[in-house]
Amino acid sequence: GAGVSQSPSNKVTEKGKDVELRCDPISGHTALYWYRQSLGQGLEFLIYFQGNSAPDKSGLPSDRFSAERTGGSVSTLTIQRTQQEDSAVYLCASSLADRSNQPQHFGDGTRLSIL
Amino acid sequence: GQNIDQPTEMTATEGAIVQINCTYQTSGFNGLFWYQQHAGEAPTFLSYNVLDGLEEKGRFSSFLSRSKGYSYLLLKELQMKDSASYLCAVRPRGGSTLGRLYFGRGTQLTVWP
Repeated sequence: GAGVSQSPSNKVTEKGKDVELRCDPISGHTALYWYRQSLGQGLEFLIYFQGNSAPDKSGLPSDRFSAERTGGSVSTLTIQRTQQEDSAVYLCASSLADRSNQPQHFGDGTRLSIL
Repeated sequence: GQNIDQPTEMTATEGAIVQINCTYQTSGFNGLFWYQQHAGEAPTFLSYNVLDGLEEKGRFSSFLSRSKGYSYLLLKELQMKDSASYLCAVRPRGGSTLGRLYFGRGTQLTVWP
């Protein structure tokens, strides 16, 4: 499809396990963003990529969280030693360029549940 | 810090007009976005304002006053499918926060027949 694609759509795992979430941005979009959305909360910024580099990773909540982007396209968000408070919907977005007027286009998200 | 406020819930009837307000306090300002999010789905882009005034796009309009740190989204001729959460998001000006958007918690709009 033409939109942002995320996988898996749902992930249930036990506390302490590692998880990998994948984002495939819109073709040609150089900027990529990760957010998470908890019930009743606004979208919380995690990290931003311009190409393969991450100028702003200040939103990552702890060193258990990491992300990479390869080939200026697909990005992977990894959470190590998951905790129950990591349960949330993880949303990926991409934009054509990092310009102020460029909207971010979102994927459907990965719903992560930590048992 | 960054602070974006919008009402938690609103209700309206089909065919009516509803105005969803958003106030913000951010470190600099480089544009305000409105998104619509249906339950379980991705947020979808509705509008962008960077200059003061009204931007009209079909049934939806968005207004911005930078001096007041205030925006509203106006929805006309409401339809049942407009029942969704409406998210206000502000892009701060450059520096270390370049790229990110700061989101409000969203306004859940319910449209009744």
